[in-house]
Amino acid sequence: LAKTTQPISMDSYEGQEVNITCSHNNIATNDYITWYQQFPSQGPRFIIQGYKTKVTNEVASLFIPADRKSSTLSLPRVSLSDTAVYYCLVGFLTGGFKTIFGAGTRLFVKA
Amino acid sequence: DTAVSQTPKYLVTQMGNDKSIKCEQNLGHDTMYWYKQDSKKFLKIMFSYNNKELIINETVPNRFSPKSPDKAHLNLHINSLELGDSAVYFCASSPGVPYAEAFFGQGTRLTVV
Repeated sequence: LAKTTQPISMDSYEGQEVNITCSHNNIATNDYITWYQQFPSQGPRFIIQGYKTKVTNEVASLFIPADRKSSTLSLPRVSLSDTAVYYCLVGFLTGGFKTIFGAGTRLFVKA
Repeated sequence: DTAVSQTPKYLVTQMGNDKSIKCEQNLGHDTMYWYKQDSKKFLKIMFSYNNKELIINETVPNRFSPKSPDKAHLNLHINSLELGDSAVYFCASSPGVPYAEAFFGQGTRLTVV
């Protein structure tokens, strides 16, 4: 099963761009990469999903290099409300639709 | 309208008891999941059902038994509760494939004393 590795925590300031990288060396051909955000006492919330190259939506961008062994979630101009835990998830078909969440990265945004 | 709802939100019970957590989704999704989040915040999948059929059954004790009476419901029954079962349990649903966007419930905080 593919494992993911993320930094345990990151600090930033309001208005800065934040990049969180996830390593997934054993990613398989059919796997997608998905990022979730979780606030205290809430369930995770979907942010973005991608397969290769770059994906952008209204809240974030996801960069995936050609070898797909890592991915980077980019949050433009963070605010205090972006303080949360961010999970990298690799989803694959092998073994019956199993999904694995990474350990998560705690992002602290300071004023 | 709550998309994925779990009940109860908090559950405190004694060791050895049997308890159930209910989950309902009104999104029309085909796939539902149960996740466990421990005190260190690791989020691990326990079970997944697709159209009422079990498709993922991770290594969890037999004391945990999911039940899906229909596509919109996935309940979790736990027998003979142990202290180590204390955690937050999340229900989620997604439209068919496991790596599509999943919608999570608010979680059920289970405390076994």
